[in-house]
Amino acid sequence: AQSVTQLDSQVPVFEEAPVELRCNYSSSVSVYLFWYVQYPNQGLQLLLKYLSGSTLVKGINGFEAEFNKSQTSFHLRKPSVHISDTAEYFCAAVMEYGNKLVFGAGTILRVKS
Amino acid sequence: DAGVIQSPRHEVTEMGQEVTLRCKPISGHNSLFWYRQTMMRGLELLIYFNNNVPIDDSGMPEDRFSAKMPNASFSTLKIQPSEPRDSAVYFCASSFSNSGANVLTFGAGSRLTVL
Repeated sequence: AQSVTQLDSQVPVFEEAPVELRCNYSSSVSVYLFWYVQYPNQGLQLLLKYLSGSTLVKGINGFEAEFNKSQTSFHLRKPSVHISDTAEYFCAAVMEYGNKLVFGAGTILRVKS
Repeated sequence: DAGVIQSPRHEVTEMGQEVTLRCKPISGHNSLFWYRQTMMRGLELLIYFNNNVPIDDSGMPEDRFSAKMPNASFSTLKIQPSEPRDSAVYFCASSFSNSGANVLTFGAGSRLTVL
């Protein structure tokens, strides 16, 4: 069975500082990986996805993530955060040719001025 | 496209009452998913449909929960009778499922409070 672990439940950071949100997955087969963002009282919005090809994936709002197969990780990064990036971020995985998207527990990013 | 549309956005009801949540997926999408989000358990997949057929309902908590998809443009999630522990935000998501990855688009959610 596959699972997704987000190592930090909350990450506080000052505005304009870099940030990394960590995600590890476990699966015995190939997976597709995603990051979603949820702003307060809203649904989930896709930030970026890794399906195949280049291991560095760029998404919306200046975010990027790197797929590392040997470390089974898919960490999310942004070089300089804004107050508006304050939200909850979810890492998710689905097995290749599968339908069942499994989510991590989420990481709350709090950007302070 | 209006995206995935869920109704109601907010529902407050009393224990024992029937609750029906509704979802209209994106036109052309052939897979539909119901998730539940709570503080304690995070995002849980309850059930998903492919081409209107329920494929995996192993996440449905108990017999009080049921879901239907009578056609490609409509799905319901029903709780009867409701209990306070059912209070959560229920998300519907849809996707176009082919041989590749399944990229889900989520609705805004239905926040259920059972008193």
